[in-house]
Amino acid sequence: GQQVMQIPQYQHVQEGEDFTTYCNSSTTLSNIQWYKQRPGGHPVFLIQLVKSGEVKKQKRLTFQFGEAKKNSSLHITATQTTDVGTYFCAGRYWDSNYQLIWGAGTKLIIKP
Amino acid sequence: DVKVTQSSRYLVKRTGEKVFLECVQDMDHENMFWYRQDPGLGLRLIYFSYDVKMKEKGDIPEGYSVSREKKERFSLILESASTNQTSMYLCASSFLPGTSGRAEQFFGPGTRLTVL
Repeated sequence: GQQVMQIPQYQHVQEGEDFTTYCNSSTTLSNIQWYKQRPGGHPVFLIQLVKSGEVKKQKRLTFQFGEAKKNSSLHITATQTTDVGTYFCAGRYWDSNYQLIWGAGTKLIIKP
Repeated sequence: DVKVTQSSRYLVKRTGEKVFLECVQDMDHENMFWYRQDPGLGLRLIYFSYDVKMKEKGDIPEGYSVSREKKERFSLILESASTNQTSMYLCASSFLPGTSGRAEQFFGPGTRLTVL
């Protein structure tokens, strides 16, 4: 079946270091969405990428969609304690108008 | 603001009990979803519905059923709860993608179900 692989599962960083999570699909995506789940919370939508090679920024967060629309990344520059949480990618395929296929998430942990 | 509410934040049930989890959204969304979330496994789709009385199986429908009698309400039913159904259950809703293709999902706060 269709799968979106997300790595790493965890990333420990010192505050101020950068963080990156990667998602990969074996088949071309229609678009990909990114969500953030704070500890004890629920996933909250961050952004959607649609175009091949698209790059979008939200302050310290940079989102990329690969040229082949099979992979995507989220990069956070100079992490802060407010960035703690789990980041999920979720891909939509051309044959689905309803369902998102979710990556397993990357948990960002800030080392004290 | 979109609001998705779930009937309980925490629920403790016994093995074999019938369990109802309710979800209500106030944004007239066509799509509604039930997920379960377990550590290391991300979000796994149980069922979704794209219209009243319509439902589709997700990745892990076994042991669950759903009901959507009204557009704003989507219920998840565990016919006979088992200990392996102990989990966090998340409800979500969204519009159909439409021309922009954008249809982000809005989540409820979740129900943490423990089956003893």
